[in-house]
Amino acid sequence: AQSVTQLGSHVSVSEGALVLLRCNYSSSVPPYLFWYVQYPNQGLQLLLKYTTGATLVKGINGFEAEFKKSETSFHLTKPSAHMSDAAEYFCAVSDRRTGNQFYFGTGTSLTVIP
Amino acid sequence: KAGVTQTPRYLIKTRGQQVTLSCSPISGHRSVSWYQQTPGQGLQFLFEYFSETQRNKGNFPGRFSGRQFSNSRSEMNVSTLELGDSALYLCASSIGRGTGELFFGEGSRLTVL
Repeated sequence: AQSVTQLGSHVSVSEGALVLLRCNYSSSVPPYLFWYVQYPNQGLQLLLKYTTGATLVKGINGFEAEFKKSETSFHLTKPSAHMSDAAEYFCAVSDRRTGNQFYFGTGTSLTVIP
Repeated sequence: KAGVTQTPRYLIKTRGQQVTLSCSPISGHRSVSWYQQTPGQGLQFLFEYFSETQRNKGNFPGRFSGRQFSNSRSEMNVSTLELGDSALYLCASSIGRGTGELFFGEGSRLTVL
């Protein structure tokens, strides 16, 4: 079975500060890992994904994440927060066997303080 | 290229009624998946369709059903609505299965009174 744990349901950072959103996963097979962002009353937008290859993945809007197999983690970071980054962030896991059945974390709400 | 389109965006129903939600995937995408999003349970997988066949099903009662048409458009139906069915229903499309990326629509927000 696969699962995702996101530590911290709410994270607040100052504008210009480092953003760090934590994600740990459980998977019995090599996982696919994703970060999605959701703005109010909208669907989910893909920020970045890891499937195979380089473990440091760069995404849109300056976000990046590193797949650490030994720690079963896929934390999301951004060096400098912007007001427009305020949103809900979801980490998800899947694998080739489960097709498009993704397992999502419970989400982290990011607040950016001016 | 148009994104995933879901209709209706908002709807209100009463307990016991049924509802049908529609999803048009991105052109060329053959897989459509449905997810339910609620504050208490988060995002939960409902089912996945590929080439008009249900390929995967989540842990939901039989009141939740779906289908996919030959043009890859999909519908999901919820019968005998309950208050707990109030949620944002998200449709996601993908070129194929296990390709590692889902493109989500903006969702259909269902309120059951």
